[in-house]
Amino acid sequence: GAGVSQTPSNKVTEKGKYVELRCDPISGHTALYWYRQSLGQGPEFLIYFQGTGAADDSGLPNDRFFAVRPEGSVSTLKIQRTERGDSAVYLCASSLMVGGRDEQFFGPGTRLTVL
Amino acid sequence: AQSVTQLDSHVSVSEGTPVLLRCNYSSSYSPSLFWYVQHPNKGLQLLLKYTSAATLVKGINGFEAEFKKSETSFHLTKPSAHMSDAAEYFCVVSDRNGNEKLTFGTGTRLTIIP
Repeated sequence: GAGVSQTPSNKVTEKGKYVELRCDPISGHTALYWYRQSLGQGPEFLIYFQGTGAADDSGLPNDRFFAVRPEGSVSTLKIQRTERGDSAVYLCASSLMVGGRDEQFFGPGTRLTVL
Repeated sequence: AQSVTQLDSHVSVSEGTPVLLRCNYSSSYSPSLFWYVQHPNKGLQLLLKYTSAATLVKGINGFEAEFKKSETSFHLTKPSAHMSDAAEYFCVVSDRNGNEKLTFGTGTRLTIIP
């Protein structure tokens, strides 16, 4: 598995439910990013991690959204009390380090549908 | 603040003819600029990047882009379109050293006519 993987690939939930989306970055990549892509739009930045810490979470839309990366590898994006407007494709990316000129490698995304 | 504007939401060209996808950027700092491609049901793939070295950047699959500071533009070109080029293309800017949060344009859908 050389690339970024995300699970599940599709998630359908009901309004008000809690969901977790998982991202496995490329092994050895210290930087991890989450983006959200709504239909017909470009991806929008949510949060990025350098190691275990969230270096910039300015893109999280509100306090229903939270992300963790406890061991500096796998990350989980958590959404509480989901709303229909949260429906989108959630993309994860990783890069070798922050502050360099390394490419961000993107995963295939998780398509979240809130009914 | 940083932003990009992709001037065309949809471009159609005939196979074998040149491709031009237009992008203008706005950035408070010296920007890093990228073009990413997204094929249906596939992840985003980096085509090329500009990070303050040569202003004419060559990427994969015959694509290239030229950074023009005076015009704040970073247009993507290819001399001869191939059917496999049909996809969504995103122009992207980063304000820092090119590896923190990326700001994406709204995308240009490229259709290739046989």
